[in-house]
Amino acid sequence: QVQLQQWGAGLLKPSETLSLTCGVSDGSFNTYFWSWLRQSPGKGLEWIGEINHRGSTKKNPSLKSRVTISIDTSKSQFSLKLTSVTAADTAVYYCARTNQFLGGVTLPRPFDFWGQGTVVTVSS
Amino acid sequence: DVQMTQSPATLSASVGDSVTITCRASQSINRWLAWYQQKPGKAPKLLIYKASNLESGVPSRFSGSVSGTEFTLTISSLQPDDFATYYCQQYDSYSKTFGPGTEVEIK
Repeated sequence: QVQLQQWGAGLLKPSETLSLTCGVSDGSFNTYFWSWLRQSPGKGLEWIGEINHRGSTKKNPSLKSRVTISIDTSKSQFSLKLTSVTAADTAVYYCARTNQFLGGVTLPRPFDFWGQGTVVTVSS
Repeated sequence: DVQMTQSPATLSASVGDSVTITCRASQSINRWLAWYQQKPGKAPKLLIYKASNLESGVPSRFSGSVSGTEFTLTISSLQPDDFATYYCQQYDSYSKTFGPGTEVEIK
């Protein structure tokens, strides 16, 4: 059973950088894409972006200029940085598993395993 | 972005009822649609993928169907554990998008 465990700071001031990391428990790390999402009362569930084991990323165009997603395959971890946060970035942030990378082909897949969520509050 | 709409926003039902939630995509998404169940304070749980495929371990009272760009999630014989919020999500386009959710509440 795949387990995702995420951690990072939960209280930020405006203009600071949000930083979260997600660790993956099983051996599927190199055959899937790994995503970050967030959920707020105002905007619902929102996909932030994703990365594969080669470091290839996709990002939500609405957040792209502020988002960095990185990966450490030696530790089976991937990370999110979101710069210049404002109150609008207050949300529960999740990591999740998505597309499968098989034989050089990317297979579309939903978000089948999720982290426990991190509440991030941006307040002065 | 592909826009996803859901109806109704809230659904009141009783244990044993059969309920249907509808999700519409703003353009063709080639059946690349998933349904999730979410309870307060928890991450969403995958129920259905590729419009009508039941995720492993999910009870068979959950089913999904599609007609064009209209997708439906049906829960036959609602159980106490099924009172939750349900989301649809498309994973056809570059940016993956979710519907706004349908809350299934106890009547």
